[in-house]
Amino acid sequence: GENVEQHPSTLSVQEGDSAVIKCTYSDSASNYFPWYKQELGKGPQLIIDIRSNVGEKKDQRIAVTLNKTAKHFSLHITETQPEDSAVYFCAASSSGGSNYKLTFGKGTLLTVNP
Amino acid sequence: NAGVTQTPKFQVLKTGQSMTLQCAQDMNHNSMYWYRQDPGMGLRLIYYSASEGTTDKGEVPNGYNVSRLNKREFSLRLESAAPSQTSVYFCASSGRQSYGYTFGSGTRLTVV
Repeated sequence: GENVEQHPSTLSVQEGDSAVIKCTYSDSASNYFPWYKQELGKGPQLIIDIRSNVGEKKDQRIAVTLNKTAKHFSLHITETQPEDSAVYFCAASSSGGSNYKLTFGKGTLLTVNP
Repeated sequence: NAGVTQTPKFQVLKTGQSMTLQCAQDMNHNSMYWYRQDPGMGLRLIYYSASEGTTDKGEVPNGYNVSRLNKREFSLRLESAAPSQTSVYFCASSGRQSYGYTFGSGTRLTVV
């Protein structure tokens, strides 16, 4: 089955700096790569996703890049703010059709210091 | 508000007791999932239901059973709870036209 590795496990940055979280996946058939943000005491929330036919996607201060050859994808957050502090999960989909079963990385705790 | 609703939010069980975690979605999604979240382990899939009437095992199904009651509801049952099942449980759903999951707010279960 699919295996997703995520690094780093913790990341501390100063407000205004950029943050980068990296993930690798094992199944070359995976074609969907979402990122989730989980705030304390809440469920994960989808913040951005990318499909395998696209190399990069941006949404305001957040961007995701995908390298299919190397089987890795990354989340980039620019101009970080204290409210960006949360746990971030990457995931990869190894099933097609109407069921998109996701395998998650183990998460990155991002702390943005004011 | 549209979304995924989980009940209860908190539960304490004694070893050997049984309980059912409830999940309902109102987004007309076809697929539903149960994950558990443990420190340092990320989110691990317990069971999923690709569509109404079907269920399949995920990565960590032992000790659990599920029922897809209808398109809206997907329940998770612990027949004989064990301390190793202490965790936060999340239900999620996804639609045919959308890849993204919508998660519930979770159930924090402690087995003593």
